[in-house]
Amino acid sequence: TQLLEQSPQFLSIQEGENLTVYCNSSSVFSSLQWYRQEPGEGPVLLVTVVTGGEVKKLKRLTFQFGDARKDSSLHITAAQTGDTGLYLCAGRTGGTSYGKLTFGQGTILTVHP
Amino acid sequence: GAVVSQHPSRVICKSGTSVKIECRSLDFQATTMFWYRQFPKQSLMLMATSNEGSKATYEQGVEKDKFLINHASLTLSTLTVTSAHPEDSSFYICSSSDRRANYGYTFGSGTRLTVV
Repeated sequence: TQLLEQSPQFLSIQEGENLTVYCNSSSVFSSLQWYRQEPGEGPVLLVTVVTGGEVKKLKRLTFQFGDARKDSSLHITAAQTGDTGLYLCAGRTGGTSYGKLTFGQGTILTVHP
Repeated sequence: GAVVSQHPSRVICKSGTSVKIECRSLDFQATTMFWYRQFPKQSLMLMATSNEGSKATYEQGVEKDKFLINHASLTLSTLTVTSAHPEDSSFYICSSSDRRANYGYTFGSGTRLTVV
């Protein structure tokens, strides 16, 4: 069974602070996705990283995929209250678009004004 | 972009009754649909993978007779919770993959099931 260890599980910070969420695995993934989920809604895709060592930026969010494609990180700069939510990493195996996703445990981020 | 429409968003039912949840892909063909269950403040747990025109593949520990999945067309997959009990109360989410989303997955908006 492939596992994705996501940490921290809970993060409570003040507006303006920086934070990093980590996803680690002993398995290699063909791609890794990061999602953000609001209460009572489905997850929304933030980014997909495919190449080992890849770095993608989405405004104040920076995503990295490890060289060995076993780990990833999400860094948020100058967090805002609107960043509050559940962040999920998910690794995909297999070479097709329909491979299963393995989800990390999730990080509940709370940004206080 | 790719959209998966999930209905109902909320449902309350009595113990012993069955509930059907529908997921429709609105602008793409969902050859494969994934069904997840999520408990409060926790991650998503994959229940089963449904492929159009064939039997669903269930994850270990998920009862096939309890959670009936039908995927009769490329745009519709259904999950029926049979003889529901309070412990089946949860948030159920479907998702499918659209190549246009660069291997990302589009998720439905989820169904909050409460069994009383």
